[in-house]
Amino acid sequence: AQSVTQPDIHITVSEGASLELRCNYSYGATPYLFWYVQSPGQGLQLLLKYFSGDTLVQGIKGFEAEFKRSQSSFNLRKPSVHWSDAAEYFCAVGAQMKTSYDKVIFGPGTSLSVIP
Amino acid sequence: EAGVAQSPRYKIIEKRQSVAFWCNPISGHATLYWYQQILGQGPKLLIQFQNNGVVDDSQLPKDRFSAERLKGVDSTLKIQPAKLEDSAVYLCASSLDRLGEQFFGPGTRLTVL
Repeated sequence: AQSVTQPDIHITVSEGASLELRCNYSYGATPYLFWYVQSPGQGLQLLLKYFSGDTLVQGIKGFEAEFKRSQSSFNLRKPSVHWSDAAEYFCAVGAQMKTSYDKVIFGPGTSLSVIP
Repeated sequence: EAGVAQSPRYKIIEKRQSVAFWCNPISGHATLYWYQQILGQGPKLLIQFQNNGVVDDSQLPKDRFSAERLKGVDSTLKIQPAKLEDSAVYLCASSLDRLGEQFFGPGTRLTVL
């Protein structure tokens, strides 16, 4: 079964600083990987996803993530954080099950605070 | 394009009462998900439908939770009887196809007293 860990429960950065949120997964085959963001009072929104191909994936709102198979990681990055980026970030891993459906497991989340 | 609709947005009940949540997915989305999100945790999948059939309900507490998706469109999730630990946000999501982007509704915040 697949699993996801996000080692950082909470991160605080200054506006304009760079950001990296860590995500590690466990899965026997090549996983499908996602990053979602949950802003206060709003639903989850997909930032980016990796299925195959280029291991550096670009997403919305200036975010990118890099798939590193050797480290079982899919870290999310942004070169310059804006105050509006303060939110909860969830990494998720998808796997194709034997019964031909696909299961997505969400990590516990990292809460991001941005200091003006 | 209309998003995923959920109602009610908030619900407060006493333990041992019953409650139902409703979800209307994005038109044409075959896959529908119900998640439970406890404060400070990530969403936990309760049940996944493909059209009107259940493909995964392994984490659904079937002694008290039930869900259905009639005609492969709208879905309802019911809890009967509710326990204190059921206090959470219940999220509905839908996707066009397997492993596609999931579109989430605003959620229903349930408080069990």
